[in-house]
Parts: sequence; structure tokens; C-alpha cells
Amino acid sequence: EAQVTQNPRYLITVTGKKLTVTCSQNMNHEYMSWYRQDPGLGLRQIYYSMNVEVTDKGDVPEGYKVSRKEKRNFPLILESPSPNQTSLYFCASSLSATGAYYEQFFGPGTRLTVL
Amino acid sequence: EDKVVQSPLSLVVHEGDTVTLNCSYEVTNFRSLLWYKQEKKAPTFLFMLTSSGIEKKSGRLSSILDKKELFSILNITATQTGDSAIYLCAVWHGGSQGNLIFGKGTKLSVKP
Repeated sequence: EAQVTQNPRYLITVTGKKLTVTCSQNMNHEYMSWYRQDPGLGLRQIYYSMNVEVTDKGDVPEGYKVSRKEKRNFPLILESPSPNQTSLYFCASSLSATGAYYEQFFGPGTRLTVL
Repeated sequence: EDKVVQSPLSLVVHEGDTVTLNCSYEVTNFRSLLWYKQEKKAPTFLFMLTSSGIEKKSGRLSSILDKKELFSILNITATQTGDSAIYLCAVWHGGSQGNLIFGKGTKLSVKP
């Protein structure tokens, strides 16, 4: 089944404890992206990747890191999480961004709480 | 600054009503506009629009794009309680490295 998977789906952690949220897609998509969704603010892009080893900042990259060593995986790293990073996180992928005529497929979401 | 603005932010209707959701945009190098439906989980794709004046239709949902006036509308006729969701508008824009920007969404509640 074609899909985007994220793990974990739910996570409660404490301030300063490094964590990684994994994202994987099995559709051979070039473009992958991370978003956070907060009430009243909509979906805001954190980082995106046009292809392997190519990443760029979105609108709210502070406090996050990403890597794209393989085409299928795009992990989101919080080196030192803070309470303002409590949010619902979505990973998404699409076939390509260069044509920009492709829908984005979303993962199921990761609900993160930082105490 | 590139932006996508949706209105209204929330809407309450009764079953059987027809609703129109709005999405306006100001972006550099517009490529396409997408509509998504989000219930209590990940957004699911509804439509992609690239050309002005061509209506996309799926059942009771339809959408159209006006590239001159920089907006799109999503119409839902004969609404049902299952249409209750957040509807998201997003625009692909940019040069060779295109990117996708989302509006804040319209929360639609359909009452029986």
C-alpha cells in the first residue's frame, strides 16, 4: 500500500531531551516536507527536501533539524525540545516539486507534548 | 511575503445547505492550487487546480480557480454531517524549487 508512515504517533517528553520523529514513504517520491499544525495557525512548514541530500528551511525551522540520506526517509530531529514545540506534526511527500503539479500525501501525524 | 488566506475561518450550517469556502493568494510564480479535507487526522486530497475557469467536480464538491483575481472557491452542495471538517487551501509557488504554502483553513460544522 502506498503510504507515508511516521513514528511515534504520540510522544510525551521533557524539556531538553533530544528526540527524533521518523518519516518514511514507499512511493519513490522526490519531495518530502515536515509541517506543524497548531490551533489558529494552520499548517506551517518546518523543513522540506527536494531530493536526497537537498534540504531547505520552511517558515518555522528554529529548533529543528532534518536529514535526507535516503530517498524514502526524512527524519525530524529536535535537539533540545521546548514546551513551545508541543504540536501536531505531519510529514508529507509528493512525486516532485519541480513541476509543482502534484498532490502531497500526508502521514498520520505525530502528537508531541513537551513538558 | 507569500500568503494564502482562507475565509471564513469557521462556518456552521445545517444539513442540506450549500456552502462556499474562499481562498485567496498572493505568491510569486504561482503553479497550482490544492484543496484538502482534514477530519480528526491527516489531510486528504480533494482537488488540484491549475487553469482559470475550469471547474473540478467530485460528487457534491466542486472548485474553480480565478488566476486573474487570485482566488479559488470550494462549493459543497446538500451538505451532510460527514462534511464537517477543516478545509485547507494550499498553493504551489516559486521558481525551479517550488514550495507549498497553506492557508489557516476553514472549519466547517454541519448540524443535523
